[in-house]
Amino acid sequence: GAVVSQHPSWVICKSGTSVKIECRSLDFQATTMFWYRQFPKQSLMLMATSNEGSKATYEQGVEKDKFLINHASLTLSTLTVTSAHPEDSSFYICSASGLAGGSTGELFFGEGSRLTVL
Amino acid sequence: AQSVAQPEDQVNVAEGNPLTVKCTYSVSGNPYLFWYVQYPNRGLQFLLKYITGDNLVKGSYGFEAEFNKSQTSFHLKKPSALVSDSALYFCAARTSEAGSARQLTFGSGTQLTVLP
Repeated sequence: GAVVSQHPSWVICKSGTSVKIECRSLDFQATTMFWYRQFPKQSLMLMATSNEGSKATYEQGVEKDKFLINHASLTLSTLTVTSAHPEDSSFYICSASGLAGGSTGELFFGEGSRLTVL
Repeated sequence: AQSVAQPEDQVNVAEGNPLTVKCTYSVSGNPYLFWYVQYPNRGLQFLLKYITGDNLVKGSYGFEAEFNKSQTSFHLKKPSALVSDSALYFCAARTSEAGSARQLTFGSGTQLTVLP
């Protein structure tokens, strides 16, 4: 199946710094990418939807200035957590949808990125 | 609005016994339904999907799921559970209506524990 690579897998940073997480579709063109946040033993919370070449659509309650999303190409989307604080510590997962999933909308997920803000 | 319910937070089953993880959904029109599995600190792995056709869908690792339109359910099943099946399972759904958003609505997840 289609492969989505997410990097880094783990990141620890100091409070106040910014962290960038990359999501790449390795063998297909991802017209749409989704970013999720997951708290321990909970479901995925959709943060935003990004379409290549356009601004991301954020879900209600997600601060767009806090979580910057860029989808500059059909194979790469980035999530930047700006001025991170301990409450931003979480597991962030991206998923991609494109021709590989066909019109049925099967999503392919990255391996996730564990962010810990000290 | 779409919604997916997984009524059981935790399912325990003995190795070798059949397992069922329940899921019900609410979407407008005909649904696209999915099951994903998540191991600790990992992303989601696709197991199977129902799009149309046969109500019994077979997927990876011996899992299958049955689409029941009248009960709006899509329960995940496996005839004989393995200890390695222990993981967090998510049911997801979206409408098949043309022009609809492609993001999936996820259930809350069910932690499956297979006891040796």
